[in-house]
Amino acid sequence: SQQGEEDPQALSIQEGENATMNCSYKTSINNLQWYRQNSGRGLVHLILIRSNEREKHSGRLRVTLDTSKKSSSLLITASRAADTASYFCATDGPGGGNKLTFGTGTQLKVEL
Amino acid sequence: DAGVTQSPTHLIKTRGQHVTLRCSPISGHKSVSWYQQVLGQGPQFIFQYYEKEERGRGNFPDRFSARQFPNYSSELNVNALLLGDSALYLCASSSTTLNEKLFFGSGTQLSVL
Repeated sequence: SQQGEEDPQALSIQEGENATMNCSYKTSINNLQWYRQNSGRGLVHLILIRSNEREKHSGRLRVTLDTSKKSSSLLITASRAADTASYFCATDGPGGGNKLTFGTGTQLKVEL
Repeated sequence: DAGVTQSPTHLIKTRGQHVTLRCSPISGHKSVSWYQQVLGQGPQFIFQYYEKEERGRGNFPDRFSARQFPNYSSELNVNALLLGDSALYLCASSSTTLNEKLFFGSGTQLSVL
């Protein structure tokens, strides 16, 4: 089953705009990760935020985590056409360990 | 260094057949995980192997099995294929069992007719 639900399911913006996508999850976590997938192929790790962190930055990416609401957001600033992809949040299970549970994904399209 | 490699990239099978998918992790990575991704959904966990031992199994029927070899490469086997097994099968490797950063291969696209 999917742990997370992502919102929106699809997002279309112009190059240079910011893109925000949200993820909600159901159980307690140790960390939450975001991955990007181009054209239905392999996923690429973007960023990890631990349960005791509230915000994290990496280049044009900003991730927030609200464990009380069981939600996270990914902000991509100054988007580029190359950012067009599907974005997934992934959580580890209670007690950490051996699997990631992925959300349903947000399809981002950045138009020139 | 090479990334995670999977073979074959595409596969077409008929119902009832058996399939074997292969994965080579990044050099030095001892953990291999398998995920199934149905079109329009996020990946779903099937198995994790670490140091040749099964460390986790997702909610998949016994038709799905896997193993890890001494060189840490892995095979995913699916018996008695069903139409619903059509999906992208992703292999991911990591250096530990913690899955704090998975490196994914490009996947095997399996079509069951």
